[in-house]
Amino acid sequence: NAGVTQTPKFQVLKTGQSMTLQCAQDMNHNSMYWYRQDPGMGLRLIYYSASEGTTDKGEVPNGYNVSRLNKREFSLRLESAAPSQTSVYFCASSEVTPSRGYTFGSGTRLTVV
Amino acid sequence: QKEVEQNSGPLSVPEGAIASLNCTYSDRGSQSFFWYRQYSGKSPELIMSIYSNGDKEDGRFTAQLNKASQYVSLLIRDSQPSDSATYLCAVSPYNQGGKLIFGQGTELSVKP
Repeated sequence: NAGVTQTPKFQVLKTGQSMTLQCAQDMNHNSMYWYRQDPGMGLRLIYYSASEGTTDKGEVPNGYNVSRLNKREFSLRLESAAPSQTSVYFCASSEVTPSRGYTFGSGTRLTVV
Repeated sequence: QKEVEQNSGPLSVPEGAIASLNCTYSDRGSQSFFWYRQYSGKSPELIMSIYSNGDKEDGRFTAQLNKASQYVSLLIRDSQPSDSATYLCAVSPYNQGGKLIFGQGTELSVKP
């Protein structure tokens, strides 16, 4: 089915470990986004990519890096995980102007111990 | 002041009633407004979008936008237990490349 695919679905990391969250979309969307969701905080934008080859910081970029590998793929990397990064991470994609809103992936539940 | 604000709830309504969810936003230049539904443990799914002042209806859902007062609302008529979820309001601020700013969500519980 067309959509946004995120991997992994669940991950437990120890403090200081690194990992990369993968995201791929097959809807030919130009724009892709990484959000984190914490209880009572809603969805907060970490990084976004308006088009292939460009990335920009969102509201909470500290501790994260991203790579827009090609039009389909947008990865999020935690270089040195911290307990404060325990969260649910969502990748999303949209047309350049999100007149139809975002399509979200199924999420990655990350726990840092 | 948060950019997009919602009452976190929970909002509890009986089955068959009208549920009213509200959202205010701070950027007067915002162009596009969305309502997402999120079931527990799942990802958000788009249910309504609205761009112009007034009402937009889609089945049991009606979105209302008032740009002068900077609020957007969602009405759910004939509420069903399956409507129990968290509803997220999202706003696309002016000239920010399509980013969406989300409210913290309102939890709705529809009691049989």
